[in-house]
Amino acid sequence: DAGVIQSPRHEVTEMGQEVTLRCKPISGHDYLFWYRQTMMRGLELLIYFNNNVPIDDSGMPEDRFSAKMPNASFSTLKIQPSEPRDSAVYFCASSPKGRTGVRYGYTFGSGTRLTVV
Amino acid sequence: KNEVEQSPQNLTAQEGEFITINCSYSVGISALHWLQQHPGGGIVSLFMLSSGKKKHGRLIATINIQEKHSSLHITASHPRDSAVYICAVRFGNFGNEKLTFGTGTRLTIIP
Repeated sequence: DAGVIQSPRHEVTEMGQEVTLRCKPISGHDYLFWYRQTMMRGLELLIYFNNNVPIDDSGMPEDRFSAKMPNASFSTLKIQPSEPRDSAVYFCASSPKGRTGVRYGYTFGSGTRLTVV
Repeated sequence: KNEVEQSPQNLTAQEGEFITINCSYSVGISALHWLQQHPGGGIVSLFMLSSGKKKHGRLIATINIQEKHSSLHITASHPRDSAVYICAVRFGNFGNEKLTFGTGTRLTIIP
């Protein structure tokens, strides 16, 4: 398995532009998570999905952020319009549920480093 | 307030030394995770614990539910262990998948 695949690896955009980050989870994983990492705040959960359904989006900073999971193999995180304070590394992770229902560990993608100038 | 605290923030040690990184949390949890973030930025999930102790190679993770404390140990440390180690917890009952992260411990192993 190629693991969790994120694209692009790096994105530089101008303030006000729309940015779309993409994630392909590991096949068979029923949970997908979007995280953001900054020097000031560390790692933060933005939103997570279970079986393609958004479960908790309380970490999404504001209405400029939106996330979708149209099917089990693809998710997007969109920022519109982007602002310099959105500059961060955005990680996607997926996780399977074990036979007993206890969550196993997470597999993280390589991250997308977003710079908004 | 649901909080996760790690110590130390930074740790430098000689190759071969035994390493301990600590994590404390404020209220009951359903699980605790240890993550490793490489200098290149990639994150690897090392352990998930809800009780007791787990071992994988030179890494050992323990958790004391009553004391709300977990430790990550590295035996016979090696320069390739140099990374940031992050503790993350799921507060509350099973079913809550939201992770709250510690600020990380930056470990440097000197040859």
